[in-house]
Amino acid sequence: EVQLVESGGGLVQPGGSLRLSCSPSGFIFSDYAMHWVRQAPGKGLEYVSGINDYGSRTHYADSIRDRFTISRDNSKSTVSLQMTSLRPEDTAVYYCVRDLRGRYSFDFWGQGTLVTVSS
Amino acid sequence: QSALTQPASVSGSPGQSITISCTGTSSDVGAYNYVSWSQQHPGKAPKLLIYDVTNRPSGVSDRFSASKSDNTAFLTISGLQAEDEAHYYCSSYTTSSNWVFGGGTKVTVL
Repeated sequence: EVQLVESGGGLVQPGGSLRLSCSPSGFIFSDYAMHWVRQAPGKGLEYVSGINDYGSRTHYADSIRDRFTISRDNSKSTVSLQMTSLRPEDTAVYYCVRDLRGRYSFDFWGQGTLVTVSS
Repeated sequence: QSALTQPASVSGSPGQSITISCTGTSSDVGAYNYVSWSQQHPGKAPKLLIYDVTNRPSGVSDRFSASKSDNTAFLTISGLQAEDEAHYYCSSYTTSSNWVFGGGTKVTVL
C-alpha cells in the first residue's frame, strides 16, 4: 500500500524558516518524481514544487520561487521542502504527492502537514 | 500562472448527471492532453479521478467521465450518489513546465 507521511509543520513567525519532510512507503521511491501541493484554510489547491526521480530537475511555483527549495535523498527515501522567508500567505496544509509516472498528474497524496505563519 | 476557472458550486439530485467545467488557456488546458481531475472530501486528502483528460485510474467508478474542447475541460458525474458530495479540482500541466489547479467546485447532492 502506498503511503506518504509528512512531518515538520508547525507555527512559525513571518520571515522564519521551516523544513518539511515526506517519508514514502509501499513503492520504489527512486522510480518516481515527487511534488508538494498546498491548500490554504478553506481554499483550493495550489501547486508548490516538484522534483524528478533522480533529483536533477525541479519545478517551482512563481509564488514561492527563490524562497523554497525541494530536495530528495533516494538512499533514505525522503523528499523535503525547505521553506525560508515565510509569509502569512504561506499558511496552508502542505501535501506530499506522488507523480503519476509520465502522465503529468498526481496519483497519491499524503494526509498533509499544517504550516501556520503568524506572529 | 493564473488558476483555472471552475464554477464554485454545482448541485444535482440523486441519479442525475452533472457536469463541471474547467477553463484555462492555450498555455495549459489547450496546450496538452494533460488535464486531471481530483475529488476531495472534507478533511481528507485529494483522490485522483481522471488523468490525461479522459483516463480513469484503476478502482475509480465509471460514473466519472471527462472530456476536453479547446481550452475547456469537463468532468461529468453520472448517476449522482450521496457519496459524490465533495470538492472537485481540475489541474493541468503548462507550457511553463509547471502545474496549475482550478479553484475547485463544490458538488452538492440535493
